[in-house]
Amino acid sequence: GDSVTQTEGLVTLTEGLPVMLNCTYQSTYSPFLFWYVQHLNEAPKLLLKSFTDNKRPEHQGFHATLHKSSSSFHLQKSSAQLSDSALYYCALRSPNNNNAPRFGAGTKLSVKP
Amino acid sequence: ETAVFQTPNYHVTQVGNEVSFNCKQTLGHDTMYWYKQDSKKLLKIMFSYNNKQLIVNETVPRRFSPQSSDKAHLNLRIKSVEPEDSAVYLCASSQDSSGNTLYFGEGSRLIVV
Repeated sequence: GDSVTQTEGLVTLTEGLPVMLNCTYQSTYSPFLFWYVQHLNEAPKLLLKSFTDNKRPEHQGFHATLHKSSSSFHLQKSSAQLSDSALYYCALRSPNNNNAPRFGAGTKLSVKP
Repeated sequence: ETAVFQTPNYHVTQVGNEVSFNCKQTLGHDTMYWYKQDSKKLLKIMFSYNNKQLIVNETVPRRFSPQSSDKAHLNLRIKSVEPEDSAVYLCASSQDSSGNTLYFGEGSRLIVV
């Protein structure tokens, strides 16, 4: 089946520095990719999703570009905020997996003052 | 604004007991899911139902059984729990079975002692 690989473990940044969380995928189809964010003691919620027309999705200062040539959908933000500290999941859906979204292992982002 | 409701939020039980988790969504969605989030925060699909029909059944132990009375409800029963079942069980819904945006409940934490 299809799979997603993320930057592993913990990423620690100083407030104001740029954020980049890596996400690569394997799929025999052209899948849809998503980023979900889970703050402490909250439910995961959608942050971004890829578009079919190659537009770059953006939300809350975060953006991600789907690069089919490198099978990547990295999450970026120009300037980290303390409130960005959370667990970030990259997810993929494709007909290979009956369209039920599959999640990467998650990357914990910790932003320090 | 919560629209996927799970009960109970927290449950402690002994090995060998039976537990049930309930999930209801008020979004009018056709598709519902159960995910397991383990102690390492890995988020894995377990089951998916579309309009009361089972469409995804991952490789999970047979002691797990989903139950859906209508498209707004999806319950999860675990017969004879094991220590490795300790986790947070997250219910989610999406508009249809194409797997677009998941809306998660806040989770049901199971502790098996």
